[in-house]
Amino acid sequence: EVQLVQSGAEVRKPGESLKISCQAAGYSFRDHWIGWVRQMPGKGLEWMGNIYPGDSDTRYSPSFEGQVTISVDNSISTVYLQWSSLEASDTAVYYCARPRSYRDGNNYPQPYYFDYWGQGTLVTVSS
Amino acid sequence: EIVLTQSPGTPSLSPGERATLSCRASQSVRSGFLAWYQQKPGQAPRLLIYGTSSRATGIPDRFSASGSGTDFTLTINRLEPEDFAVYYCHQYGTAPWTFGQGTKVEVK
Repeated sequence: EVQLVQSGAEVRKPGESLKISCQAAGYSFRDHWIGWVRQMPGKGLEWMGNIYPGDSDTRYSPSFEGQVTISVDNSISTVYLQWSSLEASDTAVYYCARPRSYRDGNNYPQPYYFDYWGQGTLVTVSS
Repeated sequence: EIVLTQSPGTPSLSPGERATLSCRASQSVRSGFLAWYQQKPGQAPRLLIYGTSSRATGIPDRFSASGSGTDFTLTINRLEPEDFAVYYCHQYGTAPWTFGQGTKVEVK
């Protein structure tokens, strides 16, 4: 059974750093992309970026590039989302989700729709 | 960036009725790479439909979807109490991936 288990809720002050995690189980971790999706309070879903654990290929939404860092630790099947300096507007629930993959013409896995989701991590940034 | 606009905003329907949700894209969605998700309060989204019209595993057949190009539709026949939720469309054919703003199906 595919499982994505996220780290717990966090409260930070503006300007502080933060790293949240998403640990995967139940499938071959290196063979599938994992992405992050933001949901601000009372709002919709926003795609932040995806990472491929097989080679650490990372693709960011322009809205989030330079604002966050997505990384991976294959030894513990975990993907991270990191901020170096939080702002109040970063207050949101962050979901990790696993895209289904398909092989392109170069036999490289490309991400598809999200078929499995983590439970979400609430990040609150307040002074 | 492909902008997805969902309508109606918040339809009020009764159990047993049919819900018809629309998702319009600002440009053609490549290869019909359009998915629909359901989200209930306090829960993560759940995949309902991928590839415009394919139901995900375990999704009841009262959920159906269709569309092409820039216009897509999710239909829920005979609404059950558990179907009252927020529904999002999502295009994954062109980077950056985008979601619609959501349609909340509420109980009349």
